[in-house]
Amino acid sequence: QSALTQPASVSGSPGQSITISCTGTRSDVGNYNYVSWYQQHPGKAPKLMIYDVSNRPSGVSNRFSGSKSGNTASLTISGLQAEDEADYYCCSYAGSTTPYVFGTGTKVTVL
Amino acid sequence: EVQLVQSGAEVKKSGESLKISCKTSGYSFTTYWIGWVRQMPGKGLEWMGIFYPGDSDTRYSPSFQGQVTMSADTSFSTAYLQWSSLKASDTAMYYCVRRSPGVGNYYFDSWGQGTLVTVSS
Repeated sequence: QSALTQPASVSGSPGQSITISCTGTRSDVGNYNYVSWYQQHPGKAPKLMIYDVSNRPSGVSNRFSGSKSGNTASLTISGLQAEDEADYYCCSYAGSTTPYVFGTGTKVTVL
Repeated sequence: EVQLVQSGAEVKKSGESLKISCKTSGYSFTTYWIGWVRQMPGKGLEWMGIFYPGDSDTRYSPSFQGQVTMSADTSFSTAYLQWSSLKASDTAMYYCVRRSPGVGNYYFDSWGQGTLVTVSS
């Protein structure tokens, strides 16, 4: 089971919007609406930002949104802020035998 | 408040055994899955496996099957990850995570703070 593919880095200026892609296969992203996204600041544990493709947990800013088309899921951060600078990982359900696969991770830089 | 508190950093030698822990509180331990995630130095997240304390159902990633063992002690609401013979390549941060039960809920809503394991050869 291979890791989901994410761009290594994405950057944007404060106030701009950026989108991070997460490409899998018909066995994971393409087959289930169970994609989640995690934010990880340096030296910290990851934090759940989006679940079930597009749902935000309580307390997560509505500047974060998720979507999916075919085998590719996306995380969009609108109104980019300095505090959004972090690593972001997608994760997809992939069936009952080997349920989860993470993405390769994307470093977001706020210019 | 849901909390997952992991044991402290470990420094071991190749060939030694190790068991790290994840003590939970604030919810019913036996009704949620506990997973483990590895992060090697400077690298991304890797899903290792997941364990259901209610019936000990365990699913391992093929990459970690046979390399680690997941378990729990329901009396202490604590999950464990253990190695019988460490390798230098096991050097990493290890996170425990919680997943809600039932169909769907395939995400990790709470994370431990991580346990850094350093293995020297």
